Amino acid sequence: GENVEQHPSTLSVQEGDSAVIKCTYSDSASNYFPWYKQELGKGPQLIIDIRSNVGEKKDQRIAVTLNKTAKHFSLHITETQPEDSAVYFCAASIYTGGFKTIFGAGTRLFVKA
Amino acid sequence: GAVVSQHPSWVICKSGTSVKIECRSLDFQATTMFWYRQFPKQSLMLMATSNEGSKATYEQGVEKDKFLINHASLTLSTLTVTSAHPEDSSFYICSAREEDRGEWSQPQHFGDGTRLSIL
Repeated sequence: GENVEQHPSTLSVQEGDSAVIKCTYSDSASNYFPWYKQELGKGPQLIIDIRSNVGEKKDQRIAVTLNKTAKHFSLHITETQPEDSAVYFCAASIYTGGFKTIFGAGTRLFVKA
Repeated sequence: GAVVSQHPSWVICKSGTSVKIECRSLDFQATTMFWYRQFPKQSLMLMATSNEGSKATYEQGVEKDKFLINHASLTLSTLTVTSAHPEDSSFYICSAREEDRGEWSQPQHFGDGTRLSIL
């Protein structure tokens, strides 16, 4: 079945710097890749997503890139702010008689003021 | 848009009690709903998937008689933890997704979770 690996598990950056979180997936049939941000005590919130027919997508300070050949996708956050501190999860969706979403293990991002 | 409301947000109860958690999609019709369990500093562990009007599909190792799921309408799913014990204490999160169209999956939207503490 599909497997999603996420790195790093913890990331600490200075306010204003960029943060990059990387994920790899195993099944080339996966075609939808959402990213979620989870703040303490809350549920995950969808922040950006990308479909396999697109290589890059940007929304203000966040962007996602997808390399289908290498089965890699990454989240880029520029000009980080303390409120970006949270756990970020990548995910890959694959059709197996219905769409199934597999989540990465998460990255805990700390943005130091 | 795409708001999922989950209640209650926090439950503390005695061992042996049954607890019901509600999950509602407020502004869209959720053909499929999901229930997850999350342990501290860990990822989301899928417990079961339910489609409106059908029986839930449970993941391996999840006791269906322990965790009763009902997806009675396109906007409401409930999870009942029956005869809860301390080991059932956890953070439970629901998620909802609109009907998938064609070859693309629709995004999942999550509730804010329910922290269940069994004494």
